[in-house]
Amino acid sequence: EAGVTQFPSHSVIEKGQTVTLRCDPISGHDNLYWYRRVMGKEIKFLLHFVKESKQDESGMPNNRFLAERTGGTYSTLKVQPAELEDSGVYFCASRASVSYEQYFGPGTRLTVT
Amino acid sequence: GQNIDQPTEMTATEGAIVQINCTYQTSGFNGLFWYQQHAGEAPTFLSYNVLDGLEEKGRFSSFLSRSKGYSYLLLKELQMKDSASYLCAVSGNTPLVFGKGTRLSVIA
Repeated sequence: EAGVTQFPSHSVIEKGQTVTLRCDPISGHDNLYWYRRVMGKEIKFLLHFVKESKQDESGMPNNRFLAERTGGTYSTLKVQPAELEDSGVYFCASRASVSYEQYFGPGTRLTVT
Repeated sequence: GQNIDQPTEMTATEGAIVQINCTYQTSGFNGLFWYQQHAGEAPTFLSYNVLDGLEEKGRFSSFLSRSKGYSYLLLKELQMKDSASYLCAVSGNTPLVFGKGTRLSVIA
């Protein structure tokens, strides 16, 4: 069974540019989460999808971040325009509805210069 | 507020036992998780405690005391491959809240 995959693994962009991160959850997992880890800090929750609906987006930093999960399968997280403080590792995790365990992807390391 | 504390770094010898502590203060409690994360890789699930007591899974055990807001992860018969960061995370009235992680170095 394939795990959670994320693309790209690394992205380096300039301040003001746009970047879109993609997450493919484990097949059949209705729950999809986005997290971010800024250097030296703990992993922080961004938002939670149940199928295609946003269940909780309380962790989204501001309106420069837009997450979508059209069709309830893969999800994208767009940052537009990117700022220096957006640098960090963005993790995606998925979970089956009948389980408490979240499976994490390897993360996308975003560097904004 | 919500707060999770765990030591920043620990060092232990191959073959030994190490205990990584985690204390938490969260709004509500629906369970405590331990994850292992090797550098540059995804966090991987180790254990889940929702009731007080010890959960054992092979070389790894996790303990929870809800009244004390305290948990520990116990690693036995340490191996070099156990060198990694260990993350304590709590599920409460809000989504998972993570600690900063404990970087464990296993030395020969």
